[in-house]
Amino acid sequence: GESVGLHLPTLSVQEGDNSIINCAYSNSASDYFIWYKQESGKGPQFIIDIRSNMDKRQGQRVTVLLNKTVKHLSLQIAATQPGDSAVYFCAEKMPSYKYIFGTGTRLKVLA
Amino acid sequence: DAGVIQSPRHEVTEMGQEVTLRCKPISGHDYLFWYRQTMMRGLELLIYFNNNVPIDDSGMPEDRFSAKMPNASFSTLKIQPSEPRDSAVYFCASRGEGGSPLHFGNGTRLTVT
Repeated sequence: GESVGLHLPTLSVQEGDNSIINCAYSNSASDYFIWYKQESGKGPQFIIDIRSNMDKRQGQRVTVLLNKTVKHLSLQIAATQPGDSAVYFCAEKMPSYKYIFGTGTRLKVLA
Repeated sequence: DAGVIQSPRHEVTEMGQEVTLRCKPISGHDYLFWYRQTMMRGLELLIYFNNNVPIDDSGMPEDRFSAKMPNASFSTLKIQPSEPRDSAVYFCASRGEGGSPLHFGNGTRLTVT
């Protein structure tokens, strides 16, 4: 029969608009969270991270928000640019040092 | 900093053949991870090492897969015998101390025909 692959959710945004990518993580004991960007043919690249004792962290054009009550992580990208088009993954680090990745979101920036 | 280096970038082999994937972590990093990425399952953790010692290999699919880290600057992932369902992109990643992020190589795309 036909195999079914992961259906990557896609977020399409206009160039210059802000993007928000969401992620639900699985383990309430996870103590460190990371957002990665993956472009075609490359490995995931680190964007920003946050520890479990924080709820917000800002970088250049990017902000990560952590809501431990509902086990939710979000990545906000300000003034989205064509170069931001990629697949974005969240990752959680468990106390055992295992890093578990979400299924990813494809961001498409429309000119 | 050269980053994590993986070789080969592409590997095409026939079913039943042995495949060896190689990884050089970032110098000074004491954790090394092997992941597999497919459309069906996304990024799956196969195994990780700390100070060259395998800590958790629960993600290794079956006995056909084995990984070694003979020293701090080199690791291999071996598949013997390979099967078409092993076709995927295999990533190696390393990290240093202090809860830092994983740094990934650019992967090896494996095709088993």
